[in-house]
Order: sequence, then structure tokens, then C-alpha cells
Amino acid sequence: KNQVEQSPQSLIILEGKNCTLQCNYTVSPFSNLRWYKQDTGRGPVSLTIMTFSENTKSNGRYTATLDADTKQSSLHITASQLSDSASYICVVSARSGGYNKLIFGAGTRLAVHP
Amino acid sequence: DTEVTQTPKHLVMGMTNKKSLKCEQHMGHRAMYWYKQKAKKPPELMFVYSYEKLSINESVPSRFSPECPNSSLLNLHLHALQPEDSALYLCASRTEKGPNEQFFGPGTRLTVL
Repeated sequence: KNQVEQSPQSLIILEGKNCTLQCNYTVSPFSNLRWYKQDTGRGPVSLTIMTFSENTKSNGRYTATLDADTKQSSLHITASQLSDSASYICVVSARSGGYNKLIFGAGTRLAVHP
Repeated sequence: DTEVTQTPKHLVMGMTNKKSLKCEQHMGHRAMYWYKQKAKKPPELMFVYSYEKLSINESVPSRFSPECPNSSLLNLHLHALQPEDSALYLCASRTEKGPNEQFFGPGTRLTVL
């Protein structure tokens, strides 16, 4: 069964600190892995997207890693800001019948406090 | 133009009403999606349109009726909804080059009374 699991479920950090969010997946056949940021009541916004051959990708203060052997990904946030408070969703794309089906994780809710 | 727009932002409707959600993109994407998202849950796929044709219907009740009038527009017609249909409805479109990334709209917050 295709699954994406994220940890922790929620996280509170102080402004300026770093944090790392985890994503484990069992998705086959794997196409790519994406991290989205979703503010409450808003649509998800893409942070990074990685294919099988990519190990790391950065977008400003966000750095995602992918280990295709262990089927794990992480999202590292550096020097957190209050505006980083949001849900972070790991999404794995599986190729199925000519169509890329997205398997969503439940998300990690991050709260950055002053 | 690199965004997906959705209207209205908020919608409150009674169970006997008929309303429509609208989604628009001008990125030339030929695949468009409707998702439903309940609070603190990930989005759930409802429909996929590819080249203006319905390609996937994830067993969605008939009170939700999608329509793709052209390659830039996607509508979701609502009729006789139930209170449990209250949710954030997200539209997305997908690139056909590279890793097929999906771009999401801001969503329509629907409340059914």
C-alpha cells in the first residue's frame, strides 16, 4: 500500500532556531517527492521537488534531502521566522496508468514563537 | 502569469442551493485537478481533467459535478450538498515538462448549512 508518513506531527520552536522535519514513504513506482508549505486555510505552495537521482535541493532557508535507498526525506529549515508557522506536507508522486498520482503525508504543523 | 486563481474565496450555502466554484490558470497546463481538504487533513483527490476531458473521478458523489469549458478554466458545480461537505476545495494544475509539478490555487472555503 502506498503510504507517506511524517514526523513529528507538530513542532514548536523559537524564532531563529533551526528544525528538521522527517518523511518516510513506501510508494511504488516512485516518480518524485515534493515538500509543500500550507498556511491555514490556504492552498499548498511548493518548496522543493526532487526526482530519484537528486539527493538535496535548497530553496532559500529550506533544504530538502532525499535518500531513495531508505525511502526517507527531510526538510531542514534554517534560522526560522514567525512566517514559517504553517503545515509542511510531504507528497510522493507514484506513476500509475500513465498518470502521476500524488500520495500526501498528514503534514507537520510547525509553530514558530518569538 | 504563474498562478492558479479560485473564486469565490468563501462560500456559504444551504443544502438546497446550487452554486459553482471556479478555477483559472493561464500557464498553459493541460491537466487540472479538484481536491477536497478537511481541517488538519491532507487534500483528497476528487477529479482530474486532462486536455479538457475527465480522466479520473475518485468515486465522488454526483452532487459534485465538474466541468472543464476550456484549457484554462475548471468549474465545480454543487447541488444538494450535505453539511459534511464543508471543507476547503483546492484546484491545481500540472506542468507537462520536467517533474510534472502541481501548482495549487488558494482554495475556496465552503460551508454548507
